[in-house]
This record gives sequence, structure tokens and C-alpha cells, in this order.
Amino acid sequence: EIVLTQSPATLSLSPGERATLSCRASQSVSSYLAWYQQKPGQAPRLLIYDASDRATGIPARFSGSGSGTDFTLTISSLEPEDFAVYYCQQRSNWPLTFGPGTKVDIK
Amino acid sequence: EVQLVESGGGLIQPGGSLRLSCAASGFTVSTNYMNWVRQAPGKGLEWVSVIYSGGTTYFADSVKGRFTISRDNSKNTVYLQMNSLRAEDTAVYYCARGYSELDYWGQGTLVTVSS
Repeated sequence: EIVLTQSPATLSLSPGERATLSCRASQSVSSYLAWYQQKPGQAPRLLIYDASDRATGIPARFSGSGSGTDFTLTISSLEPEDFAVYYCQQRSNWPLTFGPGTKVDIK
Repeated sequence: EVQLVESGGGLIQPGGSLRLSCAASGFTVSTNYMNWVRQAPGKGLEWVSVIYSGGTTYFADSVKGRFTISRDNSKNTVYLQMNSLRAEDTAVYYCARGYSELDYWGQGTLVTVSS
């Protein structure tokens, strides 16, 4: 099973600041990595797939990069609605696995 | 518009059984990969099971032998049959569409396993 590690666990930032979230895989997942946003009481929402492709309707301030074992989700300028938990997920090998999440909260 | 609506959750005693349903609209489940993902209270996401368009199924080790996944093409619905339930199965269960990434999710249904 591929283990995903996310850092930091919590990121405290102010609106307008840049957020950089990291996801590291225990072995190469090529580019088969996705990012999700989850707000309290809501289902996760797909943001990024194939490491760097934005899902339909996702604002351009969200971008993804990386391949192999190291990946980054960047939010260029935080909007009030971006404060949430972010999960990475791989589909290179079964089982599909998720990282533990990074909480982006308001400083 | 794509929609997934889960139902069937509730309070169940340890050792009991429950069947969750995921009714889809806006697309056809039989031509897609359909997953179940769960989230224990205050915890992260855990993939549970998938059914391929061809009917192949896979399960997480934590539920293998206890859970089964199926679909009814005439009702455009996917099911998760959960047997021998344990306290650690307590979670919100989401159904989600996708093979590589999960692009649509339902709102989830809460399963609580407790005596």
C-alpha cells in the first residue's frame, strides 16, 4: 500500500496570502495524484487531478505540481472560502489511498 | 446535472448488517467506476470499495470478507452491503464516481455501530 504524507498538518494564514501544501508518497505514483478540498459538514470536492490539471470550475488560484513522490498544491492568494482541509490521493496502485490532510485555517 | 444521493445509514449494533444505497442521476453507473469512501468522525478519508464498469470489485483490507459492492443498472444505483459491523466501521460513507480521481461525490450517509 502506498502511504501519503502531508505537511504541514496545519497552516495558519491570512486572506490574500499564498498557501503551499506538500504531499509525499512512499513510492512513485507517477502523476496519478489528485487534491481535494473539504469543508466542515460537506463532501470532498475535487480540485486537481493528474498532479496538475484543474477540475472543472476550479479557480485558477489553485495549482498543482510534482511527479513521482513529491507534490505541491499552491493557492496563490487565499480567499475566505479557501479555509478548509485539503487531502491528496493516489491511484497509481491499489488500494487507492489518501493523505491525512492539511488544515488551512485563518491566522 | 450529475448527482449522487446516499441512503441507508443509521444506528446498528455490533455484528449487525446494513445496506447503503447510492442513487445516481445525470450519468450511467454501469459505464463508470463507482467507489465508496468513508470518514470516521473527526478523521481523514478512507477508501472502502470500487466496482468497475465491467463488474470487477475491490475492497480495502479492513472490510474484505465483510462488505460487498454491487449495482442495479435498472435503478442506476450502487449498493454497499455491510455485514459483521464493528465499532470501527462508524463513519460517514460517501459514494464517489471515478477511476483515477473521484470527480463527483454524494453528501454521505452516517453509519454508527454501537450497542
